[in-house]
Amino acid sequence: DAKTTQPPSMDCAEGRAANLPCNHSTISGNEYVYWYRQIHSQGPQYIIHGLKNNETNEMASLIITEDRKSSTLILPHATLRDTAVYYCIVQKLVFGQGTRLTINP
Amino acid sequence: DGGITQSPKYLFRKEGQNVTLSCEQNLNHDAMYWYRQDPGQGLRLIYYSQIVNDFQKGDIAEGYSVSREKKESFPLTVTSAQKNPTAFYLCASSMGGRSGGELFFGEGSRLTVL
Repeated sequence: DAKTTQPPSMDCAEGRAANLPCNHSTISGNEYVYWYRQIHSQGPQYIIHGLKNNETNEMASLIITEDRKSSTLILPHATLRDTAVYYCIVQKLVFGQGTRLTINP
Repeated sequence: DGGITQSPKYLFRKEGQNVTLSCEQNLNHDAMYWYRQDPGQGLRLIYYSQIVNDFQKGDIAEGYSVSREKKESFPLTVTSAQKNPTAFYLCASSMGGRSGGELFFGEGSRLTVL
C-alpha cells in the first residue's frame, strides 16, 4: 500500500502562505493524492485532491510534481482557523500521522 | 441535509462489556469505513465495506466486529476481546471504487473504558 511522509509540525504567520509538503514515492499510476485536515476532536474535513495536474479550489491549491512522488498543499492566506492537523493520503485506507500546522498571529 | 451521523458522541463502558457504535449516512454512498484514533496519533483503519453485505478487515480489526445489512448503516461493535478500547472512533463514507471520491467523516464517538 502506498504510504506518505509528512513533517510532524510546521508554523506559519497569519496572512502568509502555508506550504505543506508530502512525499509519496511509492504512489501508483492511478492513485489520487487527497488532503484532509482535522481540527481537535472533530472528524477530518476534505480539502482537495489531484491525480497529475495541479488543482485549486476555494480552500487551497495542490501542486503535484511531474514524477508524482511528492506534492505540496498551499493555503494562500493562512488564518488562525487554519490551525489543524493536515493529512496527505494516497488511498483511503492509509492515514499517516499528518502535519500539525500552527498559525501564529 | 446530507451527511454522516455517529452516535453516541461520548460513551463509557465497564471492562468486559461489549458496546456498539452507530454510523448512518444519507449520502447514498456505497463504501463505509471505521477508523480508530488515539491521542496525538493518526487514523488507523479497523474495518471497511465497499458494498452491502460485504466488509473487509483493516489493520487493527482484532476485538472489533461490524455488519453491513443496509447501505445507510455500518455499526461497529467493540467487544470485550479488544484490549485497549479507549479511543476516538471515526466513521466515514465515500462513493466507492478505487478512486471513488473523497471521504466524508462523522463527528466521532469517544469511548472510555472505566
